[in-house]
Amino acid sequence: GAVVSQHPSWVICKSGTSVKIECRSLDFQATTMFWYRQFPKQSLMLMATSNEGSKATYEQGVEKDKFLINHASLTLSTLTVTSAHPEDSSFYICRSSPASYEQYFGPGTRLTVT
Amino acid sequence: AQSVTQPDIHITVSEGASLELRCNYSYGATPYLFWYVQSPGQGLPLLLKYFSGDTLVQGIKGFEAEFKRSQSSFNLRKPSVHWSDAAEYFCAVGLNTDKLIFGTGTRLQVFP
Repeated sequence: GAVVSQHPSWVICKSGTSVKIECRSLDFQATTMFWYRQFPKQSLMLMATSNEGSKATYEQGVEKDKFLINHASLTLSTLTVTSAHPEDSSFYICRSSPASYEQYFGPGTRLTVT
Repeated sequence: AQSVTQPDIHITVSEGASLELRCNYSYGATPYLFWYVQSPGQGLPLLLKYFSGDTLVQGIKGFEAEFKRSQSSFNLRKPSVHWSDAAEYFCAVGLNTDKLIFGTGTRLQVFP
């Protein structure tokens, strides 16, 4: 099946720094990718929809200036957590689709802000 | 409001026993229904999905789910659980495959 990768798989950063997370579709092209956030023992919450060549669409309550999304190519979307704070510590997961009825999740990135 | 409820936070079964994970939804129309499984360090592989047609859906790894419109449910079942099935299971619904609403998950523990 299709493969979606994320890099890094885990990252620890200091408060106030920025962290970039990459999501790549390895064997298909995707005009749309989705970014989720998952708190411990909780569900996945959709943060934003990343569209290749255009601005991302953010869900209500998600700060677009804090969570910068760039979809530079059909195989790569990046999520940058700017000026990270401990409350941004979470598990971030991307999802990508080669077709409307197929979806593949990345393995996730564990962010810890100290 | 649209919502998905997985009433069981944690379930423990013995290997070889049958399994049923519950999922109830509240939606304005019959949504698309999905079950995903999450294991540490891995993505969320899709176990199965329901769009329309036969209400009993077969998935991977021996899982099946039954859509019951009258009960707004989409429970996941497996007749005989294997130790490798231990994971977190998420039910998700949506009017399309873009914006999915996920349940809070059920953690399955399997004892030998």
